[in-house]
Amino acid sequence: AQSVTQLDSHVSVSEGTPVLLRCNYSSSYSPSLFWYVQHPNKGLQLLLKYTSAATLVKGINGFEAEFKKSETSFHLTKPSAHMSDAAEYFCVVRNFNKFYFGSGTKLNVKP
Amino acid sequence: DTGVSQNPRHKITKRGQNVTFRCDPISEHNRLYWYRQTLGQGPEFLTYFQNEAQLEKSRLLSDRFSAERPKGSFSTLEIQRTEQGDSAMYLCASSLDGQELFFGEGSRLTVL
Repeated sequence: AQSVTQLDSHVSVSEGTPVLLRCNYSSSYSPSLFWYVQHPNKGLQLLLKYTSAATLVKGINGFEAEFKKSETSFHLTKPSAHMSDAAEYFCVVRNFNKFYFGSGTKLNVKP
Repeated sequence: DTGVSQNPRHKITKRGQNVTFRCDPISEHNRLYWYRQTLGQGPEFLTYFQNEAQLEKSRLLSDRFSAERPKGSFSTLEIQRTEQGDSAMYLCASSLDGQELFFGEGSRLTVL
């Protein structure tokens, strides 16, 4: 069975401080993993993806994620938060032709 | 803009009415997915198409729901005899050969 667990439903950081959004997955096979972002009243946008190449994946807007097979984790990080990063973030695992979403983490960025 | 397009963006209907949503995918994408998202939850898989063939349906998709993708281009999602529990955001996404999903902005359904 495939599933995704986002460990925090809400994360609050100050502008300019690091961001860490945590994701653990379970998968029967070698997974493909993604992070998507959803701004209010906007569609889901791909931030980055892991598809069995480099374990450290760089995405848009300065975000990165590291695939750790031993920990079954794919945490999303950014060195310095910006006000425009405030949004909801979804970790996604793909197995065969289906994509499974986590329940989301809402990121609040304080000035 | 050649992204995924969904309409209507908002639909308010009375319980028992039928509603239909349309999705126009990115033109070269062969796969099309429908998801449902309720407040505070991540998107839940409903169904997907490869070209015109509907390959899988979630058990969430009751017999009141039907989806089509004639000619492998646009898709429609119809909900018959709507119930208040159907109120949600219906998301459409397309992809090329199952690579990353490209989403539309969604169609929000409110059932009164």
